[in-house]
Amino acid sequence: GAVVSQHPSWVICKSGTSVKIECRSLDFQATTMFWYRQFPKQSLMLMATSNEGSKATYEQGVEKDKFLINHASLTLSTLTVTSAHPEDSSFYICSARRLTEETQYFGPGTRLLVL
Amino acid sequence: AQKITQTQPGMFVQEKEAVTLDCTYDTSDPSYGLFWYKQPSSGEMIFLIYQGSYDQQNATEGRYSLNFQKARKSANLVISASQLGDSAMYFCAMRERAGGFKTIFGAGTRLFVKA
Repeated sequence: GAVVSQHPSWVICKSGTSVKIECRSLDFQATTMFWYRQFPKQSLMLMATSNEGSKATYEQGVEKDKFLINHASLTLSTLTVTSAHPEDSSFYICSARRLTEETQYFGPGTRLLVL
Repeated sequence: AQKITQTQPGMFVQEKEAVTLDCTYDTSDPSYGLFWYKQPSSGEMIFLIYQGSYDQQNATEGRYSLNFQKARKSANLVISASQLGDSAMYFCAMRERAGGFKTIFGAGTRLFVKA
């Protein structure tokens, strides 16, 4: 099967600091990776789509300067929450898609708490 | 406008019985894919089943089957022989080809399996 990892799984930080979350496809090359945010008891909201070697495509309402996405290789994408504030506290989930498949494979998620 | 609608916020089912989780969708793209994911309390998203818009037969994966009614734009998930471990949040999702492979999720249905 296709395995996607995320690191860290939990992060607590002070308001104003930046937090980097890594998403890795462990056993396949991911041409496209997606970043989602999920608030408690709500659905997943797509934040952005990233393709290896190109700029991410952000969904309407998502601040690209606040949520920096880098897809440096076919197995790694990073999401950096810059100058985090308490309202950024959420569950962030990445997913990765193989070129030849319809299915996205999700990482285990990262819980961010900004104090 | 809602593209994916799950009208059941919560469902109860007796262990060993079958349950149907409803999902309707809205798209004008002739090429699309429909997915169901399970999210247990740990937060990970577990892929369950996929149905392509051109697939002639309903998708099945073990105890999961997708009741695809294209004219009605519905893609209900049927779980047979429910188990206690099936208690989780279930999300219906759609990906339109014109949307660049991004996947949109419904609000989810929380399933409770009773012993």
